[in-house]
This record gives sequence, structure tokens and C-alpha cells, in this order.
Amino acid sequence: QVTLKESGPALVKPTQTLTLTCTFSGFSLSTSSMRVSWIRQPPGKALEWLARIDWDDDKFYSTSLRTRLTISKDTSKNQVVLTMTNMDPVDTATYYCARTWYSGTDQYYFDDWGQGTLVTVSS
Amino acid sequence: SDEVTQPPSVSVSPGQTARITCSGDALPKKYAYWYQQKSGQAPVLVIYEDRRRPSGIPERFSGSSSGTMATLTISGAQVEDEADYYCYSTDSSGNHVFGTGTKVTVL
Repeated sequence: QVTLKESGPALVKPTQTLTLTCTFSGFSLSTSSMRVSWIRQPPGKALEWLARIDWDDDKFYSTSLRTRLTISKDTSKNQVVLTMTNMDPVDTATYYCARTWYSGTDQYYFDDWGQGTLVTVSS
Repeated sequence: SDEVTQPPSVSVSPGQTARITCSGDALPKKYAYWYQQKSGQAPVLVIYEDRRRPSGIPERFSGSSSGTMATLTISGAQVEDEADYYCYSTDSSGNHVFGTGTKVTVL
């Protein structure tokens, strides 16, 4: 059974750096073809893909947020960490991590998701 | 990135068929995926690669795609199908794009 769980601060101040951890079980990021993505959802709004890390440590970022995001993994702990710098109130959202599969034709999708963690950016 | 657009809302009576559309310029060459999100919960994959259904998803959920439009069909909608539904695909630049979301009301 695959499970993922996000953890991190519920409240951050503007300009601070957010660090979120995704702790998962049921698969290993050292196994070929395994991948994990981060996705967020502002209250009442649509989902937005943020970043992905692959088993071979390849990393991919949203074009619009690339300069603010860093994704990394700790295979021994079954964890993926996302940092986002210079937080702003518009970054208030529920942040999800999700196991990611390759579909072919250069496409990926997310099958198992964590429960999400709400991050509020406010002074 | 290219947009993937959906109607804001769809209403259906219990037992009737709901169709949710998703429009995107890259869809002729890219798969569409569909996620169901109930209030306060994480999204759940209900259709992948245009028309494939993950295990555990009821058969009343089906998907199709033609040209620049993909469609999620709920045949015989149930009250428990009331949720937001998001289309997801890849745009022509390779960006991962979620649709604007459709609120399905079953009443």
C-alpha cells in the first residue's frame, strides 16, 4: 500500500523560505521509474504542478516558479523535500505531494496523493 | 503555458449522464487525465491516458478524446459523484497543466 504525507509549517511570513517534507511508503525512490511531484492548490482555486524529482535525481520545475523552487530527495528516509523562497500571500495554498508515473509521449501523471498540508503566508 | 479550459459547473439528476469537457490545443497529441476532488480531500485519479480507468474506479466513469477536446462521462451519476473534476495534460511546451475545474452537482 502506497502512502504519502506532507509536513511543514502551517504559517510562514512574507519573504521567508518554506520547507516542506513528503514522507512516503510503499515504494522507493531508488527504484527505476519512480518519481514524486509537488502540486499546490490555493483555496477555492485550481491545482498547479510545481516540481518533480526522479529516481535518478533528475529534477524538473514549473516554468513560472523555477527560480524559487528546489526539490531534493533522501532515499534512505523515503523523503522528498521542497523549498520555496521569498514566500508571498499569493502562495497560500494546500501543498500536495504525489507519486508520479510516466505515460509515454513525454507525459506524466499522479496516481497516489498525500492528504495535503495547508500553508498560509501572512505577517 | 497553454490553457486547458473546462466549464465551471455541470448539473445532473441522479441516474442521468454527466459530461464534462476539457479543451486544449495540445490534446490532439497529448493524453488527458481526469481527477475527482471531493470537498476537503485530495484529488483522486479517475481516468488516465484519455480513457483508461484505474482499478477501483467505478465503470460509470469513462473518458474519450477527439481533436482538441477530451470528455469525462459519468453514466448514471450518483450523489457520491458530486465533486470538483479537473482535467490534466501537457501543453505544447511540455508544461504540466491542470484545467480550470468543473463543479459537478448531482441533484
